[in-house]
Amino acid sequence: DTGVSQDPRHKITKRGQNVTFRCDPISEHNRLYWYRQTLGQGPEFLTYFQNEAQLEKSRLLSDRFSAERPKGSFSTLEIQRTEQGDSAMYLCASSRDRPIANTGELFFGEGSRLTVL
Amino acid sequence: KQEVTQIPAALSVPEGENLVLNCSFTDSAIYNLQWFRQDPGKGLTSLLLIQSSQREQTSGRLNASLDKSSGRSTLYIAASQPGDSATYLCAVEGGSEKLVFGKGMKLTVNP
Repeated sequence: DTGVSQDPRHKITKRGQNVTFRCDPISEHNRLYWYRQTLGQGPEFLTYFQNEAQLEKSRLLSDRFSAERPKGSFSTLEIQRTEQGDSAMYLCASSRDRPIANTGELFFGEGSRLTVL
Repeated sequence: KQEVTQIPAALSVPEGENLVLNCSFTDSAIYNLQWFRQDPGKGLTSLLLIQSSQREQTSGRLNASLDKSSGRSTLYIAASQPGDSATYLCAVEGGSEKLVFGKGMKLTVNP
C-alpha cells in the first residue's frame, strides 16, 4: 500500500492553457474524491466517484473542469482555458466503500499545486 | 449548510505544553468527524476519526472528543513537541458523504 499518489506535484502554466492532473488511489478503495485548497483556507469539495461513476459535482466545478475515472482505477482532473483564479492546490483522496468500512475515513495524497500566470 | 469553525486561527506555544484545539460545527447531524494535520505545501495526514456514535478516540499523544449535541470537538495534544508544528484541520461528514472542512489552526511549538 503506497498511499494516494498525485502527479504532477507542481504545475506552472500560462492563462488560457489546459492542464491535467492524475490521481492514483489506494488500490482497494472504491471511492475517489477531488478537493481544492487555496491559501489559508480548508479544502473545498469538487467531485467524487464511486468506482467509475461520478456521483456528485460541486457548483465550484465550472464547465471548464472535467473529471474522469475510467475503469474505476486512477482519475484525471482537467482544467481547460485556465484562469488565474484556478491557482490552488488540488487534492485527491480515497476511501473504502460503505458498509465495508463504516468509518468512511479519507486518505489524501500530497496534492498538485497549480500556478496560473 | 454545514459550517465548520476553528478558533484561534494560529497558536504559538513553548515545547512541553498540553494543548487543546477546538472545532465547532453548525449541523449536529454528522456521520463522522476527522482531524487532519497538514505540513506546509503538503497534503493532509489523517490523525483521528470519530464516528457519530463515539465520544472520543485516542492515538498516542493525541485524543479527540466529540459532543454532537453541542456541535463541538476538541483535539488534545499532550506534551507538545516542535515536530507537532503544522496546521490542524477539522472536517465533518454529513449525509452528503463528503467532508466539510474548517480553515485550520496553525500551530507553532517553540523549542
